[in-house]
Formats: sequence, structure tokens, C-alpha cells
Amino acid sequence: EVQVVESGGGLVQPGGSLRLSCAASGFTFSNYWMYWVRQAPGKGLVYVSRINNDGGGTTYADSVKGRFTISRDNAKNTVYLQMNSLRAEDTAVYYCARGGGYHAFDCWGQGTLVTVSS
Amino acid sequence: EIVLTQSPGTLSLSPGERATLSCRASQTVSSSHSAWYQQKPGQAPRLLIYSASSRATGIPDRFSGSGSGTDFTLTISRLEPEDSAVYYCQLYTSSPEWTFGQGTKVEI
Repeated sequence: EVQVVESGGGLVQPGGSLRLSCAASGFTFSNYWMYWVRQAPGKGLVYVSRINNDGGGTTYADSVKGRFTISRDNAKNTVYLQMNSLRAEDTAVYYCARGGGYHAFDCWGQGTLVTVSS
Repeated sequence: EIVLTQSPGTLSLSPGERATLSCRASQTVSSSHSAWYQQKPGQAPRLLIYSASSRATGIPDRFSGSGSGTDFTLTISRLEPEDSAVYYCQLYTSSPEWTFGQGTKVEI
């Protein structure tokens, strides 16, 4: 079964850091781009970051550029999101998603909640 | 920067009826870079349609997509109670890259 499972969310103070992980299984991980998408409470979906299949290319939404870093370990079938200088507006459920063809996201994890609050 | 506008905000219909959801982009987009997702409360989104009109694996044929340019449509031909959800359109452009609409809530 194709699946991705996020972990690492939690409560962090403003200005703090957190690293999210996304473990993939059921498919050849190194063949796929991977993404992070977030959803603030009661709000819509927002793209955060993507990494290409070999880790050599990354992009970020303007709102997180310079603060978040995406990376992957193809030997461990895992993608990461290092989040620094966290702000209250980063509070959201963070979803890991697999890139299917045509720039769509064809497999999503259950999400991990990040709460930034003092 | 591209802006996606979904309409209506909420759609209230009965089982068996047809639902038509609209997604309008502020600039022309390649139809092959458009998608639709379904999200039920407390669940992750699920890909329904990609490349404007291709159904994702396991998606019933009552879901269909169409459109090109700036206007894209998701149609649910015969609503079932389990179709109650929020539906999001998503487009890919060069900048910003992946953009979602604000969602349409379908109540059955």
C-alpha cells in the first residue's frame, strides 16, 4: 500500500524550531518529488515546499523562504521539513504529499499539527 | 501572482442531484496543470481529478473534470451522501508554483 506518514509536530514557542518527518512506503521513493502542504485551523490548503526526487532541487513558498528547509534521505525513504524562526501564523496541520504526474499530489499523509504559541 | 476563485462557497443539494463546482484563475493556465481534491472533516485531502479531466485511481466515474484557460469545472453527476466534503481546485504555474482555491463546501 502506498502511504506517507508524518511525525514531529507539537507545541513550540514563537521563534523556536521544529523538524517534521515524513516516512514513505509502498512505492519507489527515489522516483518521486515530495511536498509539504499546510492547513491553518479552519482554513484552506497552502503549498509550503517541494523537493525533487534526488534532493537536488527545492522550492519554497514566499511565506517560509529563509526559515524552512526541506530535505530528503532516499536511503531512509523519508522527507524532512526543518522549521526555524517559527511564528504564530505557522500554526497549521502540515501534510506530506507525493507528487504524481501533472503537478498534482496523489498521496497524502494524515498530517501533523504544529502549534506556535507562548 | 495567480489567484484562484472557487464558486459557490457552499452548495446544498439532495442525493441524486448534480453538483457543478467552478474554479476561475486570474491568468491563463495549462489545463494539464490543474487538479481537484476532496477533503472530509478530520481527513487528509484526496486527489480526485488531475490534468483537468483525468480521474485518479479509484475515483468513481460520477466525478468528472473539465476546463481550460482560466475556467475549470468539477461535476459530480449523481450526489451520494458520502460526497459531503470541501472540494479544492489546484493549479500549477511558474510563480507561485502550486496554488489552491479557497474551497467549495458541498452539503448533502
